[in-house]
Formats: sequence, C-alpha cells, structure tokens
Amino acid sequence: DGGITQSPKYLFRKEGQNVTLSCEQNLNHDAMYWYRQDPGQGLRLIYYSQIVNDFQKGDIAEGYSVSREKKESFPLTVTSAQKNPTAFYLCASSPLVGRNSMNTEAFFGQGTRLTVV
Amino acid sequence: GQQVMQIPQYQHVQEGEDFTTYCNSSTTLSNIQWYKQRPGGHPVFLIQLVKSGEVKKQKRLTFQFGEAKKNSSLHITATQTTDVGTYFCAGRPSGSARQLTFGSGTQLTVLP
Repeated sequence: DGGITQSPKYLFRKEGQNVTLSCEQNLNHDAMYWYRQDPGQGLRLIYYSQIVNDFQKGDIAEGYSVSREKKESFPLTVTSAQKNPTAFYLCASSPLVGRNSMNTEAFFGQGTRLTVV
Repeated sequence: GQQVMQIPQYQHVQEGEDFTTYCNSSTTLSNIQWYKQRPGGHPVFLIQLVKSGEVKKQKRLTFQFGEAKKNSSLHITATQTTDVGTYFCAGRPSGSARQLTFGSGTQLTVLP
C-alpha cells in the first residue's frame, strides 16, 4: 500500500527533552512538509523540503529541526528550545511542484500527538 | 510572509441548510486547494483550482477561485451530518509555488 506513515501516534515527553517524530512515505514524492496543529486551530508550517539534503523554514521553525537524508524520510526533532511543544504534528508529502496545472495534492499522515509534561 | 485567512472560524447549521466558507490570501496564488479534516482525523484533499475564475463541482460541493487568484470559496448545498468536520483552504503563492500555506479552517457542525 502506498502512503505516508507517522510514528508514534501518541508521544509523551518530559519538559527539557528533545524528541524526534518519524515520517516516512513510499509515494515517491519529492516534497515533504511538517505542520503543527493546536486545538481548534489551523495548520502552521514548520519546515518543508523539496529535495534530498535541502529544506526551508516555514512560519514557525524556531525550536524545531529537520533532516532529509533520504527521499522517503523527513524526521522532525522538537528541541528543548521549543517553548510550547504540546500539539498535534502532521507530516505531508506531495509531488514536486512544477507547472501550475499539475495536481500537487498533499497526502497527510495520521499525525503524532505530542504531550510534554 | 504569505497569509491565508478563512472565515468563519466556526459554523453551526441545521441539516439541509447551505454552508459557505471563504478564503483570502494576502498574495496572488498559483493555485488553491481545499481539504477536509474529520474530527480526530487528518486533512484529506478535496480539490485543486488553478485558473482565474475557475468553478468546480463535486456533488453538493461547489468550489470557486477568484478572478484575481487571491480568494476562494467552498459552498455546500443541503448539508448532511456526514459533512461535519473542518474545511481548510491551502494556497501556493505565485513565484514561490513550493510552499503550501493553510488557512485557519472553518469548523462545520451539522445539527440533525
């Protein structure tokens, strides 16, 4: 089955600890994204990547880091510098954006709900 | 940076009533997409609009892209309880089409 997988679904961490969220896709998509969603809120872009070994900051990158060593994988690390890390984290992937007419639908993983205590 | 705003934030309707959510971008968009997120779920793609003034329909859902490619709307005719969820628009800015920015979403509740 083709898709995008996030793990774990629920994660608990103590304050001050770094934690890494996994995101893997087998859709052969070049673009991958990380979003944060707070209760009753929209999706805010943390980081995105269009190609292996390259990524760009989104709107709320402070306190987060990413890597893109493989096309299939785009892990997100929530560092201790992130002041309010408890949230629902969503990873997505899409085909490489090229011509405007190309369908660039984003596919989302099931999400990881991170709680920092 | 680019901002994408949606209104209303919440909407309660009686089953059978119509519903509309509006999306406005601070910059011109290369295309706009709409997603639906069911309670407890993840966003699922509904449709993409590319051309200025484009209108697309999916059964009871009608999507429009503004002439200036800075706004869009989603209209649901005769809502059903299965329409419950949060509807997001997402835009790719012209000239920087690689970034996908989501609106704040409209949470729809349909009362039976």
